Amino acid sequence: GQQLNQSPQSMFIQEGEDVSMNCTSSSIFNTWLWYKQDPGEGPVLLIALYKAGELTSNGRLTAQFGITRKDSFLNISASIPSDVGIYFCAGSLYNNNDMRFGAGTRLTVKP
Amino acid sequence: EAGVTQSPTHLIKTRGQQATLRCSPISGHTSVYWYQQALGLGLQFLLWYDEGEERNRGNFPPRFSGRQFPNYSSELNVNALELEDSALYLCASSPGTGRFPGELFFGEGSRLTVL
Repeated sequence: GQQLNQSPQSMFIQEGEDVSMNCTSSSIFNTWLWYKQDPGEGPVLLIALYKAGELTSNGRLTAQFGITRKDSFLNISASIPSDVGIYFCAGSLYNNNDMRFGAGTRLTVKP
Repeated sequence: EAGVTQSPTHLIKTRGQQATLRCSPISGHTSVYWYQQALGLGLQFLLWYDEGEERNRGNFPPRFSGRQFPNYSSELNVNALELEDSALYLCASSPGTGRFPGELFFGEGSRLTVL
């Protein structure tokens, strides 16, 4: 099946710093999404991308769907303590709901 | 509107036993997904149901099975439990194939511990 490689595996940053994480695939995806999982909860959708080259923002979060359709990145600006959690990229083929997830980036924000 | 609900929240079993986990999707959603999240690891795709049919399954042995009922709720069964089956099992729902693909709404999960 398609593999999603997400990096970095973990990040330790100071409050106020910007964060960047990315996801690459060996397959072409038609949809890229980014989710966040808080401790003890299920993942929650942050941003959905449906077109190659698309750049979308949601508050302090910005994500892009790579031109090659094989990668995506998520940036978080001016991090705050509540940004702590695990961030997952996810992708699907053929414009359907068969979603696959990356291994996650664990973000720790030091006050 | 109620979100995705899963039960039980926690389940403790011993090796060789069977576990049944349940999921109720958001009202109006026809697709249900199951994922396994072992401690510290990512989400591994288990099963996808839509309109009562199994659409796809991940790379898991046949002792992982499930079904979707006419009301779109779903059940995940794990037979002959092994220690490595200990994990958080997450259920997610979506409106259905072709509609906002990929926008999954997750429940809080059922934590299965196998002793």
